[in-house]
Amino acid sequence: SQQGEEDPQALSIQEGENATMNCSYKTSINNLQWYRQNSGRGLVHLILIRSNEREKHSGRLRVTLDTSKKSSSLLITASRAADTASYFCATDPGANSKLTFGKGITLSVRP
Amino acid sequence: GAVVSQHPSWVICKSGTSVKIECRSLDFQATTMFWYRQFPKQSLMLMATSNEGSKATYEQGVEKDKFLINHASLTLSTLTVTSAHPEDSSFYICSARDHRGRSQYFGPGTRLTVL
Repeated sequence: SQQGEEDPQALSIQEGENATMNCSYKTSINNLQWYRQNSGRGLVHLILIRSNEREKHSGRLRVTLDTSKKSSSLLITASRAADTASYFCATDPGANSKLTFGKGITLSVRP
Repeated sequence: GAVVSQHPSWVICKSGTSVKIECRSLDFQATTMFWYRQFPKQSLMLMATSNEGSKATYEQGVEKDKFLINHASLTLSTLTVTSAHPEDSSFYICSARDHRGRSQYFGPGTRLTVL
C-alpha cells in the first residue's frame, strides 16, 4: 500500500517561479527521501531528510519535515524548464526495511 | 556515486515467452536488491525484496512463480518474467542497497512490452 501521498498531483508553473510539493505519510519513519523521474527514465535521488531534521537544503532544493504532522514539503526555487519531471517522496522506516513511494507529482515548467 | 545498471533497457517479446532482466551493482556489494514495477503515470510498486543467497520475499499479490527472482551474488540479481502476457508490459526498476544498509541506489529501468 502507498505510504506517501503527494499533493498536488499535477503542477504547472512558469519558468522562474517556485514550485512547492507536499507529501504526507502515515507511519513512523527513519527518513524521508525525494526523487525525480524524467519521462520513461529511472529515478534520480534528490535529497534525504532524517526524522530528527526539520529542514535541509541542496542547491535550489529545500525540504522540510514535520514529524508531528507526518508531512514533508519539497520546494524548488527559480524553476527551470529542465525541472519538468515527476517527483516522488519515499518513506524509509529504517532497520534496513523497504522504501515506500507516494503516487508522485507531475511538474511542468513552462519556458 | 554508486551505480546500478539494468539490462536490457528495453525488450519486446511475444506473449507466452519468458524474459530475463538483470540488475547489477557496479561498484559496491549489494546484500539486498529490490524489484519495482511502474505502470504509466503511476508510482513505483514494490514487487519483491531479494537478499543474496536466499529466497526473495514477495509483496502481497505478486506471483512468485511468474516473477522469478535470483540473487546469486552480491552484485547481480535477475528477474525473469515467465510466460509473459500483455498485461505484464510495464517499466521494471531495480534498486540495490549497499552492504552497510545506508543507501539505496536505483537502476535506470527496463521497459518491457509484451505483444
